[in-house]
Amino acid sequence: DAGVTQSPTHLIKTRGQQVTLRCSPKSGHDTVSWYQQALGQGPQFIFQYYEEEERQRGNFPDRFSGHQFPNYSSELNVNALLLGDSALYLCASSLEQPPHTQYFGPGTRLTVL
Amino acid sequence: AQKITQTQPGMFVQEKEAVTLDCTYDTSDPSYGLFWYKQPSSGEMIFLIYQGSYDQQNATEGRYSLNFQKARKSANLVISASQLGDSAMYFCAMRGRDNFNKFYFGSGTKLNVKP
Repeated sequence: DAGVTQSPTHLIKTRGQQVTLRCSPKSGHDTVSWYQQALGQGPQFIFQYYEEEERQRGNFPDRFSGHQFPNYSSELNVNALLLGDSALYLCASSLEQPPHTQYFGPGTRLTVL
Repeated sequence: AQKITQTQPGMFVQEKEAVTLDCTYDTSDPSYGLFWYKQPSSGEMIFLIYQGSYDQQNATEGRYSLNFQKARKSANLVISASQLGDSAMYFCAMRGRDNFNKFYFGSGTKLNVKP
């Protein structure tokens, strides 16, 4: 049973560039959530996708956008990168049924220079 | 508003001993879920244990148990018979009823197991 996968594992970009991160959910899961984890902190919720729609959004600017595909995989796009966007980006998948346990991928470590 | 508080930035435990990691939460939702995750230095968040707000008994999963005290709004993780491989960051998280699957995380506790 394949778990959550993310690509790439590491990424280095410069300020002002754009980046796309990808996530494939655990088999059978239909909901994908994205989190940003700065060094030494807990993950912060960015947004969640269900049925190809953004359903919930955290306190992140519009530079952060996403998409969910019919096969439930998802992308996170960040435009006009800032130094402060450097972080570990975690994707989590879950089912709509309780308890809605979220299973995380290995993350993408983004460094903005 | 939902909030998770982990007051222990770092903990040390001797191998084979038990350790308790503290977690308190704040919510006005009558129905919620509490979760613990382990994050090794590799970065992946590993699900450990879940406790529902209406569960009558404390959750257990192998060497992990959750000491759930609803009136005190605490959900402490107990790891029995610590192993060197337990050294990692541990995060407490909460899901509220009205926030679908949005999770709120604490700031984490760094556990070091000494041989």
